[in-house]
Amino acid sequence: DAGITQSPRHKVTETGTPVTLRCHQTENHRYMYWYRQDPGHGLRLIHYSYGVKDTDKGEVSDGYSVSRSKTEDFLLTLESATSSQTSVYFCAIGDGNNQPQHFGDGTRLSIL
Amino acid sequence: GQNIDQPTEMTATEGAIVQINCTYQTSGFNGLFWYQQHAGEAPTFLSYNVLDGLEEKGRFSSFLSRSKGYSYLLLKELQMKDSASYLCAVRASSGTYKYIFGTGTRLKVLA
Repeated sequence: DAGITQSPRHKVTETGTPVTLRCHQTENHRYMYWYRQDPGHGLRLIHYSYGVKDTDKGEVSDGYSVSRSKTEDFLLTLESATSSQTSVYFCAIGDGNNQPQHFGDGTRLSIL
Repeated sequence: GQNIDQPTEMTATEGAIVQINCTYQTSGFNGLFWYQQHAGEAPTFLSYNVLDGLEEKGRFSSFLSRSKGYSYLLLKELQMKDSASYLCAVRASSGTYKYIFGTGTRLKVLA
């Protein structure tokens, strides 16, 4: 299995609080992704990174920011969480060249 | 706009063959992936198509027609463990490695 770890795996927090999710990889892959998965919507890209300090927005980036200060870590931050951001968040890694993405085990985030 | 369509749910019987379709309308096309996702778990890679035709991998095959914007995943000799969601994903742009996912097809295999 690809070495990809998400933390935390579960989190419950209140509206208006900041939340940071971490994705850590040991594969030295160039590309890292954050998706959210909701019933009826499938996987939707929030942000992705194509290198250290290089990031780009996905289709549902509003309310989220990311940072990648080193190859192995990609952080997703919700500056002020809202109930609409309750979801399952998946991190994925890839090395491009049309190789498949490998997904972390997901973070289940509930915002009350 | 970019759009990928898959049936929401399908049901099939153990030992049978099932075909899960995926149609896409995207600004470009640079490859299509199929993933399997069991409930509560992460998606895992099944197959990849970039040229027209059939790719076979054991009990799983995937077909692509770029002119029709169409792919299917064929599962043979269905087993109970094949009950899962199947996700179709397209890489639309040649300039980035971003992917658009369909909403997934939930397959139930009955004994």
